[in-house]
Order: sequence, then structure tokens, then C-alpha cells
Amino acid sequence: GAGVSQSPSNKVTEKGKDVELRCDPISGHTALYWYRQRLGQGLEFLIYFQGNSAPDKSGLPSDRFSAERTGESVSTLTIQRTQQEDSAVYLCASSSTGLLKPQHFGDGTRLSIL
Amino acid sequence: DAKTTQPPSMDCAEGRAANLPCNHSTISGNEYVYWYRQIHSQGPQYIIHGLKNNETNEMASLIITEDRKSSTLILPHATLRDTAVYYCIVGLKLTDKLIFGTGTRLQVFP
Repeated sequence: GAGVSQSPSNKVTEKGKDVELRCDPISGHTALYWYRQRLGQGLEFLIYFQGNSAPDKSGLPSDRFSAERTGESVSTLTIQRTQQEDSAVYLCASSSTGLLKPQHFGDGTRLSIL
Repeated sequence: DAKTTQPPSMDCAEGRAANLPCNHSTISGNEYVYWYRQIHSQGPQYIIHGLKNNETNEMASLIITEDRKSSTLILPHATLRDTAVYYCIVGLKLTDKLIFGTGTRLQVFP
């Protein structure tokens, strides 16, 4: 079946612009996660959704970052007034209900801030 | 901070077993060990998880020591497509946010 889909796959933008990244989770998956991966580093957690509520936003680095989710479907991560340090791959994952259900990842959006 | 320690890199000949170690000396009694891998330019892929018993699935085997302070992921017959960064993670449940360390870069060579 279809996996987690992210768009765009690549985004290049100028410093100061706003960007919106999209994640389509696996159908029926109630949990959705956003992570960030800087070049050569491991993943950093950003935010977790259960349904359309976000019980854990602890990883969002600043108030320039926000995310929302519509029902138990699409999520968007918005970065306002982008900075060069925002350059990274942004990865989305989803999982179904159950404590031992693994997270399934998309291939990410590679964001480059000029 | 990641609660695991892994060697930064390992090599393995194609067709041989790849044994990837992980130290998690501060693991608590109800925490699981789970492994993901990340092939270049792709998102991480779940491999396997375990609590205290050894586990095997179609991808790999997981051997956890009796004191649970370390574990080994075994790829029984490595192929070139197994070249990736392998992450060992501990946590209460797979649906928790995953805290990734720097992982082990496994290079499988012909």
C-alpha cells in the first residue's frame, strides 16, 4: 500500500520567506510526527499529533515554526521568516494505534535557505 | 540526549553476517530496544524491537544481553543494499518520539 508521502521533495527559498511543507500519512494512521535532520546528523523531534491535537510540541525550535493537522489526515509544517539554519531535511512519520506500532517515515522534504 | 552508544562505522563483506552492537547501560526495566536504519536520501526504516527476549523477523535478529545493558542487531547475510546508517534507540513505546543518536554507518562491500 501507499507509504507516507511528503511534498515538495525539494524546496529552495530565500532567507526571510515563509515555507509550507506537507505530509500525507498512511491511511488510518492516527499518530503523526515531524522530525528535522541537519546534514550529517541524526533526527531531531519537532512535534507529535494524535488525531488533530498536538500533545507534544516540545521540539519546535522557535515560534517561527508551527504545524497543523486536518482530522487524521494531512499535516502541514510552516516555517515563517526562514533563516539559513533552517536548512535541513524535514521528515514526517505516521503510526497506527498501539504502543508497539512502529513509525513509518516518508523520504522527507529537503529545504535549502539561500 | 540519546541513551545509547554505538560505534560510528563498521564494514562487512557481502554475504557475511553483520553484527551491530549497541550499549544502553541506563535502560530501565520497562523500556524497549528498537532499531531503525536510514539508507542514503531516504527516511528511516523500522527494523525490529525487543524488551528482554531475543527477537527475529524477516529482516534481522536482535540479541539482548541478560542484564539488558547491551544488544546486537544481526543481519545474517548482508547485501549491498544493507549499506545504511543503523540507529539503536530505547524508549517506553514505539509511538513515543524517537530520540536518535548518531548511529553506526554500515558499509557492505562486494
